[in-house]
Amino acid sequence: AQSVTQLGSHVSVSEGALVLLRCNYSSSVPPYLFWYVQYPNQGLQLLLKYTSAATLVKGINGFEAEFKKSETSFHLTKPSAHMSDAAEYFCAVSDQTGANNLFFGTGTRLTVIP
Amino acid sequence: DAGVIQSPRHEVTEMGQEVTLRCKPISGHNSLFWYRQTMMRGLELLIYFNNNVPIDDSGMPEDRFSAKMPNASFSTLKIQPSEPRDSAVYFCASSFGPFGTEAFFGQGTRLTVV
Repeated sequence: AQSVTQLGSHVSVSEGALVLLRCNYSSSVPPYLFWYVQYPNQGLQLLLKYTSAATLVKGINGFEAEFKKSETSFHLTKPSAHMSDAAEYFCAVSDQTGANNLFFGTGTRLTVIP
Repeated sequence: DAGVIQSPRHEVTEMGQEVTLRCKPISGHNSLFWYRQTMMRGLELLIYFNNNVPIDDSGMPEDRFSAKMPNASFSTLKIQPSEPRDSAVYFCASSFGPFGTEAFFGQGTRLTVV
């Protein structure tokens, strides 16, 4: 069975600082992994996805994530945080068994301090 | 495309009443998902459909919940009778294609049962 674990339900960074949001996965098959962002009172929006091509995946808004099989990780990073990055971030893994269902982590709320 | 459309955006109802949430997926998508989001439990998959057929409803909390997808462009999630613990944000999402394709989310319906 597939699952993801997000370490840290809340992360605070200063504006301009590095953003690092952690995600570890568990999968019995090579995984497909996703990061979604949720702004207040909005639905989830895809930031980026890994589908077994390049291990370093670039997404929207300057975010990127690196797939590390040896560490079963897919951490999300951004070199310099902006105030507009304040949101909740979800890591997800695809189950690959039928309708492409996604299993989500518990989310990490990012606060950006001016 | 207008994206996944959910209605209503907000619903306040009294305990014991029937509630129906509606979803129009993105045209051409063949998978549809209903999620529930709460502070305590995060994002939970309730049910998903593939080609209008329910594939897995193991996430539906109890018999008070039911979902239908009469055609490729419409789905409903019904709660009867509603209870205060059903208060949550309900998201509909749709996707198309093989593994590794992302799900597109609607804006959600915020349900409050008083």
